[in-house]
Amino acid sequence: GESVGLHLPTLSVQEGDNSIINCAYSNSASDYFIWYKQESGKGPQFIIDIRSNMDKRQGQRVTVLLNKTVKHLSLQIAATQPGDSAVYFCAENYEGGKLIFGQGTELSVKP
Amino acid sequence: NAGVMQNPRHLVRRRGQEARLRCSPMKGHSHVYWYRQLPEEGLKFMVYLQKENIIDESGMPKERFSAEFPKEGPSILRIQQVVRGDSAAYFCASRQANTGELFFGEGSRLTVL
Repeated sequence: GESVGLHLPTLSVQEGDNSIINCAYSNSASDYFIWYKQESGKGPQFIIDIRSNMDKRQGQRVTVLLNKTVKHLSLQIAATQPGDSAVYFCAENYEGGKLIFGQGTELSVKP
Repeated sequence: NAGVMQNPRHLVRRRGQEARLRCSPMKGHSHVYWYRQLPEEGLKFMVYLQKENIIDESGMPKERFSAEFPKEGPSILRIQQVVRGDSAAYFCASRQANTGELFFGEGSRLTVL
């Protein structure tokens, strides 16, 4: 069935440290993945995406890694800041263009 | 360029009433998606529409829920005879044709008393 799941529901890090959020997906045919950030009371905000023909993509302070062999996705945030505190979702592009979301990981940054 | 606009942001209804949630996609976007989010949970796909067409409604409950995206005007998610279990945040997202990135609105929070 459709399933994108996260290994850790909560993650607490010290300001300045690096954060790693993991995600497992189940549909080996998915060809596009996105990480979203959602702050309390707001809609999901696009962070970074990656296509299945890549295994790494870097943005500003963020890196997404894709391991198709084990169907695993991760989001790395460098030098985590208090403003990074939010819930992070991975999403998998399913057939026909709809995105299937994982449960989410809550990132808490301690000053 | 305004983002995805949803209204109302908050809606309170009593059991049995109807709820209408509106979504105006970003300018130039012809694909609209609706998602539902319960507290402490992820976003669950409901329906995917293009102008005047429902492309995928596999996530929509079979009864009481309907969605449309007319040629002119916003997309509407309609919930008839609401029940307490319908209380949730409903998010709309849009994208251009041939691109993958979805842009989300701020959501409409429905509370059923």
